[in-house]
Amino acid sequence: DGGITQSPKYLFRKEGQNVTLSCEQNLNHDAMYWYRQDPGQGLRLIYYSQIVNDFQKGDIAEGYSVSREKKESFPLTVTSAQKNPTAFYLCASNEQGRGELFFGEGSRLTVL
Amino acid sequence: EDQVTQSPEALRLQEGESSSLNCSYTVSGLRGLFWYRQDPGKGPEFLFTLYSAGEEKEKERLKATLTKKESFLHITAPKPEDSATYLCAVQPVYGQNFVFGPGTRLSVLP
Repeated sequence: DGGITQSPKYLFRKEGQNVTLSCEQNLNHDAMYWYRQDPGQGLRLIYYSQIVNDFQKGDIAEGYSVSREKKESFPLTVTSAQKNPTAFYLCASNEQGRGELFFGEGSRLTVL
Repeated sequence: EDQVTQSPEALRLQEGESSSLNCSYTVSGLRGLFWYRQDPGKGPEFLFTLYSAGEEKEKERLKATLTKKESFLHITAPKPEDSATYLCAVQPVYGQNFVFGPGTRLSVLP
Protein backbone atom coordinates (compact mmCIF):
# COMPACT_ATOMS: atom_id res chain seq x y z
CA ASP A 1 0.00 0.00 0.00
CA GLY A 2 1.21 3.49 -0.84
CA GLY A 3 1.69 5.94 1.96
CA ILE A 4 3.97 7.93 4.21
CA THR A 5 5.97 6.33 6.99
CA GLN A 6 7.28 8.37 9.89
CA SER A 7 9.63 7.11 12.57
CA PRO A 8 10.02 6.99 15.44
CA LYS A 9 6.46 7.42 16.69
CA TYR A 10 7.67 8.57 20.11
CA LEU A 11 11.01 10.16 20.93
CA PHE A 12 12.49 11.56 24.10
CA ARG A 13 15.41 13.93 24.03
CA LYS A 14 17.56 15.63 26.58
CA GLU A 15 18.15 19.34 26.26
CA GLY A 16 21.12 20.11 24.05
CA GLN A 17 20.74 17.04 21.85
CA ASN A 18 19.93 16.99 18.15
CA VAL A 19 17.37 14.45 16.95
CA THR A 20 16.37 13.37 13.46
CA LEU A 21 12.85 12.36 12.47
CA SER A 22 12.47 10.10 9.47
CA CYS A 23 9.88 10.49 6.69
CA GLU A 24 9.62 8.12 3.74
CA GLN A 25 6.93 8.07 1.03
CA ASN A 26 6.19 5.62 -1.77
CA LEU A 27 3.50 7.72 -3.45
CA ASN A 28 5.91 9.11 -6.06
CA HIS A 29 5.03 12.62 -4.93
CA ASP A 30 7.34 15.49 -5.79
CA ALA A 31 6.47 17.76 -2.89
CA MET A 32 7.06 16.95 0.77
CA TYR A 33 6.37 18.97 3.88
CA TRP A 34 7.10 19.05 7.61
CA TYR A 35 4.51 20.51 9.99
CA ARG A 36 4.49 21.07 13.70
CA GLN A 37 1.25 20.67 15.67
CA ASP A 38 0.71 22.17 19.12
CA PRO A 39 -2.52 22.00 21.15
CA GLY A 40 -5.05 24.65 20.13
CA GLN A 41 -3.04 25.79 17.12
CA GLY A 42 -3.24 25.02 13.44
CA LEU A 43 -0.50 23.06 11.76
CA ARG A 44 2.52 25.27 11.18
CA LEU A 45 4.89 24.72 8.28
CA ILE A 46 8.55 24.11 9.14
CA TYR A 47 10.10 23.24 5.76
CA TYR A 48 8.94 22.04 2.37
CA SER A 49 10.57 20.61 -0.72
CA GLN A 50 9.25 20.52 -4.26
CA ILE A 51 12.13 18.64 -5.83
CA VAL A 52 15.18 16.61 -4.90
CA ASN A 53 18.10 18.66 -3.57
CA ASP A 54 15.93 21.73 -3.06
CA PHE A 55 13.89 22.92 -0.06
CA GLN A 56 12.45 26.13 1.35
CA LYS A 57 11.88 27.46 4.83
CA GLY A 58 8.36 27.61 6.13
CA ASP A 59 6.96 29.87 8.82
CA ILE A 60 8.87 28.38 11.76
CA ALA A 61 12.16 27.03 10.34
CA GLU A 62 14.45 28.36 13.07
CA GLY A 63 16.12 25.53 15.00
CA TYR A 64 15.29 22.91 12.35
CA SER A 65 17.12 21.52 9.33
CA VAL A 66 16.17 19.18 6.48
CA SER A 67 17.65 17.39 3.48
CA ARG A 68 16.15 15.98 0.29
CA GLU A 69 18.72 13.67 -1.27
CA LYS A 70 16.11 11.23 -2.57
CA LYS A 71 12.59 11.77 -3.86
CA GLU A 72 11.22 9.32 -1.31
CA SER A 73 12.91 10.72 1.79
CA PHE A 74 12.69 14.03 3.68
CA PRO A 75 14.25 13.76 7.16
CA LEU A 76 13.88 16.55 9.71
CA THR A 77 16.54 17.36 12.30
CA VAL A 78 15.47 19.18 15.43
CA THR A 79 18.57 20.94 16.66
CA SER A 80 19.51 22.12 20.12
CA ALA A 81 18.84 25.67 18.86
CA GLN A 82 15.09 24.99 18.81
CA LYS A 83 13.86 26.64 22.00
CA ASN A 84 10.64 24.70 22.51
CA PRO A 85 10.86 21.44 20.55
CA THR A 86 8.28 19.39 22.45
CA ALA A 87 5.48 18.89 19.90
CA PHE A 88 3.79 16.53 17.47
CA TYR A 89 5.55 16.52 14.09
CA LEU A 90 3.76 15.61 10.87
CA CYS A 91 5.26 14.82 7.48
CA ALA A 92 3.10 15.19 4.37
CA SER A 93 3.34 15.00 0.60
CA ASN A 94 1.33 15.89 -2.49
CA GLU A 95 1.65 15.87 -6.25
CA GLN A 96 3.68 18.79 -7.54
CA GLY A 97 2.65 20.94 -4.60
CA ARG A 98 -1.03 20.96 -5.52
CA GLY A 99 -4.03 19.16 -4.20
CA GLU A 100 -4.67 17.38 -0.99
CA LEU A 101 -1.91 16.50 1.41
CA PHE A 102 -1.22 12.92 2.43
CA PHE A 103 0.05 12.70 6.00
CA GLY A 104 2.13 10.25 7.95
CA GLU A 105 1.12 9.04 11.40
CA GLY A 106 3.25 11.63 13.15
CA SER A 107 6.18 11.66 15.56
CA ARG A 108 5.78 12.92 19.11
CA LEU A 109 8.95 14.51 20.48
CA THR A 110 9.33 15.21 24.18
CA VAL A 111 12.27 17.12 25.58
CA LEU A 112 13.16 16.14 29.12
CA GLU B 1 -2.25 37.93 5.71
CA ASP B 2 -3.95 34.63 4.90
CA GLN B 3 -5.89 33.30 7.86
CA VAL B 4 -8.23 30.45 8.80
CA THR B 5 -10.45 30.27 11.87
CA GLN B 6 -12.74 27.44 12.93
CA SER B 7 -15.73 27.34 15.22
CA PRO B 8 -16.73 26.03 17.58
CA GLU B 9 -13.50 24.97 19.24
CA ALA B 10 -15.25 21.88 20.61
CA LEU B 11 -18.67 20.35 20.03
CA ARG B 12 -20.50 17.59 21.85
CA LEU B 13 -23.44 15.93 20.14
CA GLN B 14 -25.74 13.08 20.97
CA GLU B 15 -25.79 10.27 18.45
CA GLY B 16 -28.19 11.25 15.67
CA GLU B 17 -28.06 14.98 16.48
CA SER B 18 -27.08 16.80 13.27
CA SER B 19 -24.92 19.93 13.33
CA SER B 20 -22.42 22.01 11.36
CA LEU B 21 -18.82 23.05 11.79
CA ASN B 22 -17.63 26.39 10.45
CA CYS B 23 -14.39 27.36 8.71
CA SER B 24 -13.91 31.06 7.97
CA TYR B 25 -11.02 32.15 5.80
CA THR B 26 -9.26 35.23 4.54
CA VAL B 27 -7.05 34.66 1.55
CA SER B 28 -5.82 36.78 -1.33
CA GLY B 29 -6.97 34.23 -3.85
CA LEU B 30 -8.25 30.71 -3.21
CA ARG B 31 -6.75 27.76 -5.01
CA GLY B 32 -8.58 25.24 -2.86
CA LEU B 33 -10.14 24.60 0.55
CA PHE B 34 -9.54 21.26 2.23
CA TRP B 35 -11.20 19.36 5.06
CA TYR B 36 -9.35 16.71 7.06
CA ARG B 37 -10.28 14.40 9.91
CA GLN B 38 -7.70 13.73 12.63
CA ASP B 39 -7.97 11.02 15.28
CA PRO B 40 -5.99 11.42 18.52
CA GLY B 41 -2.30 10.68 18.05
CA LYS B 42 -2.69 10.16 14.29
CA GLY B 43 -2.00 12.13 11.14
CA PRO B 44 -4.86 13.98 9.41
CA GLU B 45 -6.90 12.07 6.85
CA PHE B 46 -8.17 13.85 3.76
CA LEU B 47 -11.94 14.28 3.40
CA PHE B 48 -12.83 16.90 0.77
CA THR B 49 -11.47 19.56 -1.57
CA LEU B 50 -13.62 22.52 -2.62
CA TYR B 51 -12.49 24.94 -5.30
CA SER B 52 -15.20 27.52 -5.92
CA ALA B 53 -18.13 29.17 -4.17
CA GLY B 54 -21.30 27.12 -4.41
CA GLU B 55 -19.50 23.81 -4.64
CA GLU B 56 -20.65 20.94 -2.42
CA LYS B 57 -19.12 17.51 -1.71
CA GLU B 58 -20.63 14.59 0.20
CA LYS B 59 -19.29 11.46 1.82
CA GLU B 60 -21.48 9.24 3.97
CA ARG B 61 -22.79 11.47 6.81
CA LEU B 62 -20.59 14.44 5.89
CA LYS B 63 -21.29 17.26 3.47
CA ALA B 64 -18.96 20.18 2.81
CA THR B 65 -20.05 23.48 1.29
CA LEU B 66 -18.15 26.59 0.24
CA THR B 67 -18.91 30.30 -0.01
CA LYS B 68 -16.55 33.17 -0.76
CA LYS B 69 -15.74 33.62 2.92
CA GLU B 70 -16.44 30.35 4.68
CA SER B 71 -17.00 26.64 4.46
CA PHE B 72 -19.31 24.43 6.45
CA LEU B 73 -18.96 20.77 7.29
CA HIS B 74 -22.45 19.42 7.90
CA ILE B 75 -22.75 16.21 9.88
CA THR B 76 -26.04 14.40 9.53
CA ALA B 77 -27.14 11.87 12.15
CA PRO B 78 -23.61 11.44 13.54
CA LYS B 79 -22.37 8.25 15.14
CA PRO B 80 -19.78 7.84 17.91
CA GLU B 81 -17.18 6.83 15.31
CA ASP B 82 -17.44 10.34 13.82
CA SER B 83 -15.73 11.66 16.96
CA ALA B 84 -12.46 13.33 15.89
CA THR B 85 -10.88 16.71 15.29
CA TYR B 86 -11.85 18.23 11.96
CA LEU B 87 -9.28 20.49 10.32
CA CYS B 88 -9.84 23.05 7.61
CA ALA B 89 -7.04 24.35 5.38
CA VAL B 90 -6.76 26.73 2.44
CA GLN B 91 -4.19 26.89 -0.30
CA PRO B 92 -3.78 30.38 -1.72
CA VAL B 93 -3.43 30.90 -5.44
CA TYR B 94 -0.09 32.54 -4.91
CA GLY B 95 2.38 30.41 -3.04
CA GLN B 96 2.96 26.83 -2.08
CA ASN B 97 1.90 26.81 1.51
CA PHE B 98 -1.32 25.66 3.06
CA VAL B 99 -2.86 27.64 5.92
CA PHE B 100 -4.52 25.49 8.57
CA GLY B 101 -7.20 26.37 11.08
CA PRO B 102 -6.91 25.17 14.72
CA GLY B 103 -9.60 22.53 14.24
CA THR B 104 -12.93 21.63 15.83
CA ARG B 105 -12.93 18.76 18.30
CA LEU B 106 -16.14 16.77 17.84
CA SER B 107 -17.45 14.28 20.37
CA VAL B 108 -20.50 12.17 19.55
CA LEU B 109 -22.01 10.47 22.57
CA PRO B 110 -23.94 7.19 22.28
